[in-house]
Amino acid sequence: RKEVEQDPGPFNVPEGATVAFNCTYSNSASQSFFWYRQDCRKEPKLLMSVYSSGNEDGRFTAQLNRASQYISLLIRDSKLSDSATYLCVVILYNQGGKLIFGQGTELSVKP
Amino acid sequence: NAGVTQTPKFQVLKTGQSMTLQCAQDMNHNSMYWYRQDPGMGLRLIYYSASEGTTDKGEVPNGYNVSRLNKREFSLRLESAAPSQTSVYFCATPGVNSNQPQHFGDGTRLSIL
Repeated sequence: RKEVEQDPGPFNVPEGATVAFNCTYSNSASQSFFWYRQDCRKEPKLLMSVYSSGNEDGRFTAQLNRASQYISLLIRDSKLSDSATYLCVVILYNQGGKLIFGQGTELSVKP
Repeated sequence: NAGVTQTPKFQVLKTGQSMTLQCAQDMNHNSMYWYRQDPGMGLRLIYYSASEGTTDKGEVPNGYNVSRLNKREFSLRLESAAPSQTSVYFCATPGVNSNQPQHFGDGTRLSIL
């Protein structure tokens, strides 16, 4: 089993749609969680951190469920510019801050 | 991409050639990482350095060597390049605490013929 697994993509949605991505992690010692966005094989860029209480940044909402070991990302009112690959990232601080990446979920927003 | 600088950005090699990918950071972080990214595989850790003078293997270290020259620089070397090492390579340095974002270089696109 992969340490971090994401929904297989791609997701093809129309503009204005709401889309949700899920990510599960296997290491219960995982301590920090993030969603990254990656465009066209450029460098990954931080989209948002994921906090235990859940957090929102504009149209983006991230949730963490430690008991079930999954995190989610919800995008409301999708824009064409949201088309990208979304990476789930887990940090293991008991392993020197090792980052574990999911394989990514591709999103394509169509007009 | 301020903070983490990778060179070169693109490289084409022949099988058996050697080369070194360079990474430098100006954020005074202790940890530095090298990843490779292949289609459908996400980013996989090759090697990392938790602090100056230390290096450790990651998930896919075979065929690579690293050197943490000083706190700023962490290089990745391919001694005898193979077509399976065709990939995009990213250097990264995490934040100093859990709330700080991780910083990636622009990546090196390496093709081995």
